[in-house]
Amino acid sequence: EAGVTQFPSHSVIEKGQTVTLRCDPISGHDNLYWYRRVMGKEIKFLLHFVKESKQDESGMPNNRFLAERTGGTYSTLKVQPAELEDSGVYFCASSPRRLAGVWNEQFFGPGTRLTVL
Amino acid sequence: DAKTTQPPSMDCAEGRAANLPCNHSTISGNEYVYWYRQIHSQGPQYIIHGLKNNETNEMASLIITEDRKSSTLILPHATLRDTAVYYCIVRVPNRGQFYFGTGTSLTVIP
Repeated sequence: EAGVTQFPSHSVIEKGQTVTLRCDPISGHDNLYWYRRVMGKEIKFLLHFVKESKQDESGMPNNRFLAERTGGTYSTLKVQPAELEDSGVYFCASSPRRLAGVWNEQFFGPGTRLTVL
Repeated sequence: DAKTTQPPSMDCAEGRAANLPCNHSTISGNEYVYWYRQIHSQGPQYIIHGLKNNETNEMASLIITEDRKSSTLILPHATLRDTAVYYCIVRVPNRGQFYFGTGTSLTVIP
């Protein structure tokens, strides 16, 4: 079974440009999460999808970030316009549907390393 | 935000057991303790989780104190490939996401 995949693995852009990151969760996983790690900082939660709906987007830093999950399958995270402080590693994770109120473990992708110059 | 405290770094000799402590003194009765690790710059990898009882799987054992205020992750026979940052996470039951702390950087020494 394929794991969580992310594309691209690396992206280098200039300040002010737009970048779109993609995440393909494990097939059948309803829950999809975005996290990011800025240099020297902890891994921070960005948002959580349940199927195509945003369950929690409390971690999104500002309105330059837009996440979508069309059809409840893959997800994209767009940064427009990118700023220097957006540099970091963006991780995606997925987990199966919650059953009987119990959350499952999350499976993480390899991440996308974003560098904004 | 993170509700756990871990030592920033630890060393362990190859082949010996690695015992990684975690304090979570404000944990609530229905909050699970999860352990993940991150090797180099890879995505975090699930290790184990538990609520009250001790748990064991093919990777590790999780020992949770009776008052649930602390826990220990045990890697029974550490190898060089176990060198990683280990995260202890208390999961809020009504929220799916994880709140990572700073973790413990474990170095397995030959």
